[in-house]
Amino acid sequence: QVQLVQSGAEVKKPGASVKVSCKTSGYSSTDYDINWVRQATGQGLEWMGWMNRNSGNTGYAQKFQGRVTMTRDISINTAYMELSGLRFEDTAVYFCATRPLDYGGNSPFDYWGQGTLVTVSS
Amino acid sequence: DIEMTQSPSSLSASVGDRVTITCRTPQTITNYLNWYQQKPGQAPKLLIFHASSLRSGVPSRFSGRASGTTFTLTISSLQPDDFATYYCQQSYSTPFTFGGGTKVDIK
Repeated sequence: QVQLVQSGAEVKKPGASVKVSCKTSGYSSTDYDINWVRQATGQGLEWMGWMNRNSGNTGYAQKFQGRVTMTRDISINTAYMELSGLRFEDTAVYFCATRPLDYGGNSPFDYWGQGTLVTVSS
Repeated sequence: DIEMTQSPSSLSASVGDRVTITCRTPQTITNYLNWYQQKPGQAPKLLIFHASSLRSGVPSRFSGRASGTTFTLTISSLQPDDFATYYCQQSYSTPFTFGGGTKVDIK
């Protein structure tokens, strides 16, 4: 079965960086994006950006441009999202999600990781 | 950015009720509208994609419809497992924006 397994919770100080991993297994699509979405406590879903699993091409939401970097290690089917210059308002659960591209570029997010809580605290 | 206007933000309903949630967009998105269900402490789950296509394994009481730039998610007969928060999302263009969510709780 498809699994997206994310790394564990993190506590960081303001100004620090955090790197969250997302390991994919059992996914059948040959070409797909990994998207990152975050959710502050009690709030809605906020899309951060995408990275193509094969090419490594990325696209980031303007809000996070300059602070977020998405990378991957194909050999271990793992994607990473690094957020720098952390602020208190970056405290949230961060999710990764796959988006298949086999049938075009307008697909939904079909599988999600379990989420990683990142707490920014002094 | 395409702003997704979702309503209501919350509703109370009973088991067996018919529930409808609406999502509006300011421009055409060619029906690239998806619906997700999220329960507390869990990741969202895809229910419906491309406005009206039911994901495999999702109960048939869930349905989606599009009329221009207005999209609806309907639960024909609410079940205990359906009490959750629902989000719409457009996959027409980046940034892939979400609606604000609709929390469905027990009346």
